[in-house]
Amino acid sequence: ILNVEQSPQSLHVQEGDSTNFTCSFPSSNFYALHWYRWETAKSPEALFVMTLNGDEKKKGRISATLNTKEGYSYLYIKGSQPEDSATYLCASRGSTLGRLYFGRGTQLTVWP
Amino acid sequence: GAGVSQTPSNKVTEKGKYVELRCDPISGHTALYWYRQSLGQGPEFLIYFQGTGAADDSGLPNDRFFAVRPEGSVSTLKIQRTERGDSAVYLCASRRTGANQETQYFGPGTRLLVL
Repeated sequence: ILNVEQSPQSLHVQEGDSTNFTCSFPSSNFYALHWYRWETAKSPEALFVMTLNGDEKKKGRISATLNTKEGYSYLYIKGSQPEDSATYLCASRGSTLGRLYFGRGTQLTVWP
Repeated sequence: GAGVSQTPSNKVTEKGKYVELRCDPISGHTALYWYRQSLGQGPEFLIYFQGTGAADDSGLPNDRFFAVRPEGSVSTLKIQRTERGDSAVYLCASRRTGANQETQYFGPGTRLLVL
Protein backbone atom coordinates (compact mmCIF):
# COMPACT_ATOMS: atom_id res chain seq x y z
CA ILE A 1 0.00 0.00 0.00
CA LEU A 2 1.32 3.41 -0.97
CA ASN A 3 -0.05 6.26 1.15
CA VAL A 4 -0.92 9.43 -0.77
CA GLU A 5 -2.15 12.40 1.23
CA GLN A 6 -3.81 15.58 -0.05
CA SER A 7 -4.52 18.82 1.73
CA PRO A 8 -6.67 20.66 2.29
CA GLN A 9 -9.70 18.36 2.05
CA SER A 10 -11.85 21.24 0.81
CA LEU A 11 -11.35 24.84 -0.15
CA HIS A 12 -13.73 27.72 -0.83
CA VAL A 13 -12.36 30.77 -2.65
CA GLN A 14 -13.71 33.85 -4.38
CA GLU A 15 -13.53 34.28 -8.14
CA GLY A 16 -10.17 35.80 -9.01
CA ASP A 17 -8.31 34.37 -6.02
CA SER A 18 -5.24 32.24 -6.58
CA THR A 19 -4.99 28.99 -4.69
CA ASN A 20 -2.81 25.94 -4.24
CA PHE A 21 -3.11 22.38 -2.97
CA THR A 22 -0.58 19.86 -1.70
CA CYS A 23 -0.06 16.19 -2.49
CA SER A 24 2.43 14.13 -0.49
CA PHE A 25 3.58 10.63 -1.43
CA PRO A 26 6.33 8.16 -0.48
CA SER A 27 9.57 9.20 -2.18
CA SER A 28 10.85 5.62 -2.40
CA ASN A 29 9.90 3.49 -5.44
CA PHE A 30 8.55 6.54 -7.24
CA TYR A 31 7.65 6.31 -10.92
CA ALA A 32 5.18 9.08 -11.73
CA LEU A 33 2.79 11.60 -10.19
CA HIS A 34 -0.58 12.31 -11.79
CA TRP A 35 -3.04 15.17 -11.25
CA TYR A 36 -6.68 14.85 -12.29
CA ARG A 37 -9.66 17.21 -12.18
CA TRP A 38 -13.02 15.56 -11.54
CA GLU A 39 -16.25 17.47 -12.01
CA THR A 40 -19.49 15.97 -10.79
CA ALA A 41 -21.08 13.49 -13.24
CA LYS A 42 -18.11 13.72 -15.62
CA SER A 43 -14.97 11.66 -16.23
CA PRO A 44 -11.84 12.51 -14.27
CA GLU A 45 -9.76 14.68 -16.61
CA ALA A 46 -6.00 14.21 -16.74
CA LEU A 47 -4.20 17.49 -16.00
CA PHE A 48 -0.54 16.56 -15.62
CA VAL A 49 1.85 13.65 -15.41
CA MET A 50 5.25 14.36 -13.90
CA THR A 51 8.15 11.99 -13.50
CA LEU A 52 11.35 13.96 -12.86
CA ASN A 53 12.39 15.79 -9.72
CA GLY A 54 11.94 19.50 -10.30
CA ASP A 55 9.39 19.01 -13.08
CA GLU A 56 7.05 21.93 -13.61
CA LYS A 57 4.02 21.70 -15.88
CA LYS A 58 1.54 24.38 -16.94
CA LYS A 59 -1.85 24.30 -18.63
CA GLY A 60 -3.52 27.69 -18.94
CA ARG A 61 -4.02 29.08 -15.43
CA ILE A 62 -3.09 25.79 -13.74
CA SER A 63 0.45 24.69 -12.96
CA ALA A 64 2.12 21.97 -10.94
CA THR A 65 5.51 21.23 -9.45
CA LEU A 66 7.15 18.02 -8.30
CA ASN A 67 9.72 17.24 -5.60
CA THR A 68 10.47 13.52 -5.65
CA LYS A 69 13.24 13.70 -3.05
CA GLU A 70 10.92 14.96 -0.32
CA GLY A 71 7.77 13.40 -1.76
CA TYR A 72 5.42 16.27 -2.54
CA SER A 73 3.71 18.04 -5.42
CA TYR A 74 1.89 21.37 -5.51
CA LEU A 75 -0.97 22.32 -7.82
CA TYR A 76 -1.54 26.05 -8.36
CA ILE A 77 -4.55 27.79 -9.87
CA LYS A 78 -4.10 31.44 -10.77
CA GLY A 79 -7.17 33.67 -10.87
CA SER A 80 -9.73 30.98 -9.97
CA GLN A 81 -12.97 30.90 -11.98
CA PRO A 82 -16.29 29.23 -11.07
CA GLU A 83 -15.65 26.63 -13.78
CA ASP A 84 -12.55 25.53 -11.83
CA SER A 85 -14.88 24.14 -9.16
CA ALA A 86 -14.15 20.41 -9.00
CA THR A 87 -12.35 17.76 -6.99
CA TYR A 88 -8.62 17.67 -7.70
CA LEU A 89 -7.05 14.25 -7.29
CA CYS A 90 -3.41 13.33 -7.20
CA ALA A 91 -2.10 9.81 -7.67
CA SER A 92 1.30 8.19 -7.48
CA ARG A 93 2.49 5.23 -9.50
CA GLY A 94 4.81 3.17 -7.35
CA SER A 95 5.64 0.23 -9.56
CA THR A 96 6.10 -0.83 -13.15
CA LEU A 97 2.62 -2.35 -13.37
CA GLY A 98 0.83 0.96 -13.71
CA ARG A 99 -1.63 0.91 -10.83
CA LEU A 100 -2.20 4.34 -9.34
CA TYR A 101 -2.54 5.14 -5.64
CA PHE A 102 -4.88 8.08 -5.18
CA GLY A 103 -5.28 10.62 -2.44
CA ARG A 104 -8.75 11.53 -1.21
CA GLY A 105 -8.78 14.71 -3.26
CA THR A 106 -9.21 18.42 -2.62
CA GLN A 107 -12.71 19.73 -3.30
CA LEU A 108 -12.48 23.27 -4.67
CA THR A 109 -15.47 25.61 -4.79
CA VAL A 110 -15.05 28.98 -6.49
CA TRP A 111 -17.75 31.52 -5.67
CA PRO A 112 -18.65 34.20 -8.25
CA GLY B 1 -12.14 10.96 -30.65
CA ALA B 2 -14.33 8.81 -28.42
CA GLY B 3 -13.29 8.52 -24.83
CA VAL B 4 -13.75 5.68 -22.35
CA SER B 5 -17.39 4.79 -21.91
CA GLN B 6 -19.03 2.89 -19.08
CA THR B 7 -22.47 1.37 -18.77
CA PRO B 8 -24.74 1.60 -16.96
CA SER B 9 -24.14 5.07 -15.55
CA ASN B 10 -26.19 4.17 -12.49
CA LYS B 11 -27.20 0.83 -11.05
CA VAL B 12 -29.44 0.14 -8.07
CA THR B 13 -29.64 -3.44 -6.88
CA GLU B 14 -30.62 -5.41 -3.84
CA LYS B 15 -28.28 -7.12 -1.45
CA GLY B 16 -27.40 -10.58 -2.69
CA LYS B 17 -27.96 -9.88 -6.38
CA TYR B 18 -25.44 -10.23 -9.21
CA VAL B 19 -24.31 -7.20 -11.24
CA GLU B 20 -22.18 -6.62 -14.32
CA LEU B 21 -20.48 -3.34 -15.13
CA ARG B 22 -19.14 -2.70 -18.62
CA CYS B 23 -16.19 -0.64 -19.83
CA ASP B 24 -15.41 0.34 -23.44
CA PRO B 25 -11.83 1.64 -23.58
CA ILE B 26 -10.36 4.02 -26.11
CA SER B 27 -9.65 2.16 -29.35
CA GLY B 28 -6.08 0.90 -29.50
CA HIS B 29 -5.46 1.13 -25.75
CA THR B 30 -4.14 -2.22 -24.60
CA ALA B 31 -3.96 -1.41 -20.89
CA LEU B 32 -7.21 -1.27 -18.92
CA TYR B 33 -7.76 -0.57 -15.21
CA TRP B 34 -10.68 -0.81 -12.83
CA TYR B 35 -10.86 1.35 -9.70
CA ARG B 36 -13.62 2.03 -7.22
CA GLN B 37 -14.29 5.09 -5.13
CA SER B 38 -16.21 4.62 -1.91
CA LEU B 39 -17.73 7.62 -0.14
CA GLY B 40 -15.10 9.90 1.34
CA GLN B 41 -12.19 7.96 -0.16
CA GLY B 42 -9.96 8.32 -3.19
CA PRO B 43 -10.25 5.81 -6.03
CA GLU B 44 -8.78 2.41 -5.11
CA PHE B 45 -7.23 0.04 -7.59
CA LEU B 46 -9.04 -3.23 -8.35
CA ILE B 47 -7.48 -4.89 -11.41
CA TYR B 48 -5.24 -4.18 -14.39
CA PHE B 49 -5.45 -5.88 -17.80
CA GLN B 50 -2.71 -5.90 -20.41
CA GLY B 51 -4.49 -7.15 -23.49
CA THR B 52 -6.72 -10.07 -22.57
CA GLY B 53 -4.90 -11.12 -19.42
CA ALA B 54 -5.10 -9.78 -15.89
CA ALA B 55 -1.58 -8.53 -15.16
CA ASP B 56 -2.43 -7.48 -11.60
CA ASP B 57 -5.62 -8.47 -9.77
CA SER B 58 -4.28 -7.84 -6.29
CA GLY B 59 -6.82 -5.08 -5.64
CA LEU B 60 -9.92 -7.28 -5.94
CA PRO B 61 -11.33 -7.32 -2.39
CA ASN B 62 -12.57 -10.93 -2.37
CA ASP B 63 -13.74 -13.76 -4.61
CA ARG B 64 -17.14 -12.15 -5.18
CA PHE B 65 -15.39 -9.81 -7.62
CA PHE B 66 -14.26 -10.98 -11.03
CA ALA B 67 -13.33 -9.19 -14.25
CA VAL B 68 -12.81 -10.30 -17.84
CA ARG B 69 -11.54 -8.83 -21.07
CA PRO B 70 -11.91 -11.71 -23.54
CA GLU B 71 -10.97 -9.90 -26.76
CA GLY B 72 -8.62 -7.32 -25.36
CA SER B 73 -11.01 -4.40 -25.70
CA VAL B 74 -14.30 -4.31 -23.74
CA SER B 75 -14.07 -5.36 -20.11
CA THR B 76 -16.78 -6.50 -17.71
CA LEU B 77 -16.54 -6.30 -13.93
CA LYS B 78 -18.76 -8.87 -12.28
CA ILE B 79 -19.89 -8.76 -8.65
CA GLN B 80 -21.67 -11.75 -7.13
CA ARG B 81 -23.85 -11.71 -4.00
CA THR B 82 -23.62 -7.94 -3.69
CA GLU B 83 -23.32 -6.40 -0.24
CA ARG B 84 -24.18 -2.89 0.93
CA GLY B 85 -20.46 -2.18 1.30
CA ASP B 86 -20.03 -2.66 -2.45
CA SER B 87 -21.87 0.63 -3.02
CA ALA B 88 -19.37 2.92 -4.73
CA VAL B 89 -18.45 4.59 -8.00
CA TYR B 90 -16.69 2.07 -10.23
CA LEU B 91 -14.22 3.73 -12.60
CA CYS B 92 -12.56 2.29 -15.65
CA ALA B 93 -9.43 3.73 -17.30
CA SER B 94 -7.43 2.83 -20.37
CA ARG B 95 -3.91 3.64 -21.45
CA ARG B 96 -1.88 3.25 -24.59
CA THR B 97 1.23 1.14 -23.89
CA GLY B 98 4.68 2.15 -25.03
CA ALA B 99 7.37 4.64 -24.16
CA ASN B 100 6.10 7.77 -22.41
CA GLN B 101 2.50 6.54 -22.43
CA GLU B 102 1.75 7.24 -18.79
CA THR B 103 -1.66 8.90 -18.79
CA GLN B 104 -4.69 6.82 -17.81
CA TYR B 105 -7.92 8.08 -19.42
CA PHE B 106 -10.98 7.57 -17.28
CA GLY B 107 -14.60 6.93 -18.05
CA PRO B 108 -17.43 8.70 -16.17
CA GLY B 109 -17.94 5.74 -13.83
CA THR B 110 -20.85 3.53 -12.83
CA ARG B 111 -22.54 4.53 -9.60
CA LEU B 112 -23.59 1.32 -7.86
CA LEU B 113 -26.02 1.40 -4.96
CA VAL B 114 -26.77 -1.82 -3.10
CA LEU B 115 -29.90 -1.61 -0.98
